[in-house]
Order: sequence, then C-alpha cells, then structure tokens
Amino acid sequence: DGGITQSPKYLFRKEGQNVTLSCEQNLNHDAMYWYRQDPGQGLRLIYYSQIVNDFQKGDIAEGYSVSREKKESFPLTVTSAQKNPTAFYLCASSIIDPTGDQYGYTFGSGTRLTVV
Amino acid sequence: AQKVTQAQTEISVVEKEDVTLDCVYETRDTTYYLFWYKQPPSGELVFLIRRNSFDEQNEISGRYSWNFQKSTSSFNFTITASQVVDSAVYFCALSVPNSGNTPLVFGKGTRLSVIA
Repeated sequence: DGGITQSPKYLFRKEGQNVTLSCEQNLNHDAMYWYRQDPGQGLRLIYYSQIVNDFQKGDIAEGYSVSREKKESFPLTVTSAQKNPTAFYLCASSIIDPTGDQYGYTFGSGTRLTVV
Repeated sequence: AQKVTQAQTEISVVEKEDVTLDCVYETRDTTYYLFWYKQPPSGELVFLIRRNSFDEQNEISGRYSWNFQKSTSSFNFTITASQVVDSAVYFCALSVPNSGNTPLVFGKGTRLSVIA
C-alpha cells in the first residue's frame, strides 16, 4: 500500500543532542512537508521541498535542518539550537499539478519527540 | 496573505447531537481550494473533503456535510447524529494556486469530544 512512513513513533532526546526524524513516501509525490504540532497551536510549517535537492523554510525553521537527496525521503534534523523541541512532528506529501489543481496532502502518523 | 480561522477551540457534545465546526478563511484570490482534515487520537491527519472556489454546492457524505458560502468566506462542517468515534481534532485548510505552490495554510483546529 502506498503511503508515508514516519519513524520512530516516539523519540527521546537529551538536551544538547541532535536527532533526526525519518519520513519516507512511496506515493511518487513531488512535494514533502514537515509540520510541528503543539497543544492549541495547530500545525506550524517547518520546512518544505517541491523538488529533489531543493527546500524552503517555513514559519518556524530556526533550529531545524532538512535534506532532500531522494524524491522518496525528507528527513528532519532537530538540532541543539532548537530551544523547545518537545512536540509532535508530522510529515506530509503532495502532488504538484502543473495545471495548478490542488489535491491536498497525505500525512504520516507522526513522531512524538520528548527532551529528557 | 491567506489565513484560516477556526474560532472554536474545543466543543463537547452528547452522542447523537448534531454539531457544526466553523471555518472562516481569508484570501484575495478568486481561485482557491478548501480542505477539512480529521486528526483522531492516533495522530495521523485524515483527508475528509476538498472544495474549489468555483463549486459552491454543499456536499453531504453520510453523516458529514459541508456548507461553503463565499459571501461570508466560510466553509463549515456539520456532523449529524454524532458518535463517540467522531471525537478528534478537526482542521480546516486553504490553498491558493496562484501564490506559487505555497503550502496549505491550516487553522488551529477544533477539538471535538463526543460523550456517550
């Protein structure tokens, strides 16, 4: 079945450590996205990528980094510079239709990161 | 700039009651798409509906219905005869193709609790 796989489901990080969250899709979608979710804050965009080897900052990119070396993969690294990384992280993907039609996103099941 | 407002942070209803979740959007573009997603306790966002700005017909899918009114920039979601399984966070989102494939703009979500 096609979909998006995020791993791990739960992740614990010590302060000062970098951690990488995995996101893989087999939908042949062009674009991929990372969102952070905190209680009462909705979904906030961290980074997105519309093509391999290219990505753009979202609203809260500070303290995070990404790479897009393959179409299927869009890992997110939470660096030690991120002051409050405890949150739920969601990865998503979408088609980019040249006609401009918008089909929405397919989401992964998320990774819950906790700083200990 | 685009914006989505979901003024209801949390709603509680008793099973079998009807409930309406409000969504108000802002955009200056005449071509846009609106979406609703459901986030159950498992965390993954599930697509519910997509509507483009040229289609103002209301839609019904089982117990779910959507009322799109351009005159008030609203895209409200009604659940008829609510069930405990409807308990989730619901997000409304907006996409504007003319803004160059920029990501979906999400509202902050409405948490619905259906009590047996």
